[in-house]
Amino acid sequence: DTGVSQDPRHKITKRGQNVTFRCDPISEHNRLYWYRQTLGQGPEFLTYFQNEAQLEKSRLLSDRFSAERPKGSFSTLEIQRTEQGDSAMYLCASSLASLFTTYTQYFGPGTRLTVL
Amino acid sequence: KNEVEQSPQNLTAQEGEFITINCSYSVGISALHWLQQHPGGGIVSLFMLSSGKKKHGRLIATINIQEKHSSLHITASHPRDSAVYICAVSTSGSRLTFGEGTQLTVNP
Repeated sequence: DTGVSQDPRHKITKRGQNVTFRCDPISEHNRLYWYRQTLGQGPEFLTYFQNEAQLEKSRLLSDRFSAERPKGSFSTLEIQRTEQGDSAMYLCASSLASLFTTYTQYFGPGTRLTVL
Repeated sequence: KNEVEQSPQNLTAQEGEFITINCSYSVGISALHWLQQHPGGGIVSLFMLSSGKKKHGRLIATINIQEKHSSLHITASHPRDSAVYICAVSTSGSRLTFGEGTQLTVNP
């Protein structure tokens, strides 16, 4: 399967614990996006990378959240000191990129986080 | 006011009916996307368009740039079309801003 993959698919944690999610994009895609979706709502943008550079972060991304894409391939999203409000589906997407062209984003299956 | 507004929020139809979902946006965009989300979370891109009209099977998407409005039509609806349909816009080719989605249920 050459689509976007995410791991784990489900994570249950206790408040105050740290969690880390992984996203593997489609191999030739140089853009990688993280979104968050709470129940009944549309997804919200968190951050995105072009290759290994983090180009934009939402103000939703508090200092408890950090994302990396160290070699321009897979990415990790870490949440420190989780809170119940962090419970959501975390979605990763990838796409090609160029200055003047918009490309379709391909989404992974998501990681559902439950903070108890 | 959200940058992307969809209507209706919920839609129930009988199999075979013609369905329309509307999307309005308030910002300048490089493209508008229609996405489908099934229970369990997986999101699939249906269309990306910046002008005119696109058709794929029983699905048709239109956009009016001047009015900042797009519609997604489903002809001859089927129960397997039941899903959440999400409108999203991209600005300067990067991140997507999403509407809240339309929950469509098609009854047999």
